[in-house]
Amino acid sequence: DSGVTQTPKHLITATGQRVTLRCSPRSGDLSVYWYQQSLDQGLQFLIQYYNGEERAKGNILERFSAQQFPDLHSELNLSSLELGDSALYFCASSVDATSGSETQYFGPGTRLLVL
Amino acid sequence: AQTVTQSQPEMSVQEAETVTLSCTYDTSESNYYLFWYKQPPSRQMILVIRQEAYKQQNATENRFSVNFQKAAKSFSLKISDSQLGDTAMYFCAFMKLSYSGGGADGLTFGKGTHLIIQP
Repeated sequence: DSGVTQTPKHLITATGQRVTLRCSPRSGDLSVYWYQQSLDQGLQFLIQYYNGEERAKGNILERFSAQQFPDLHSELNLSSLELGDSALYFCASSVDATSGSETQYFGPGTRLLVL
Repeated sequence: AQTVTQSQPEMSVQEAETVTLSCTYDTSESNYYLFWYKQPPSRQMILVIRQEAYKQQNATENRFSVNFQKAAKSFSLKISDSQLGDTAMYFCAFMKLSYSGGGADGLTFGKGTHLIIQP
């Protein structure tokens, strides 16, 4: 158990809909990362937040957005969903406030199926 | 931009054998970390080992060790005394360190090597 939690574990929805994925980082970690894993694209970095602020963007679509709240949990919002958005979405956390470790630890993922 | 290449899509070895997974990367950065992550059938991403680019000594974690060749931009993973539980996808990953503070950039992953340990 990495200490990173993600909800829900599974999500089934229809095209055109909007969903929200939630992530709680490990205790003491300040940074949250979102990744998408699909058969077509492999593992791709989407976006990073550090202590509430956006720090880096990867291959995140404009239909997707994220935020990190004062309690450091993060949400990834996916809108106008398309069939190709079906994937496993991971959250990872790092930057331990005490040690400064930047190793990323992954949550169990949310499996999204768009029908 | 960084790229990570894993040239072995699949490997199969017998239990207790030693196996080496290959990874090469391309970057113009001088300060970075390299990682191997394991993804078993449960799909959980599990950290196997980490290597800081500034360290010349190769990292080891129990049965797992790396051969880090910075000049050649090569980062292979050796698994000794392989076990059935080692069966998984293994991903090599690159992380550039951020100088602006507040965490490093996102990981860049290779496409993975599917390792099968046969009984």
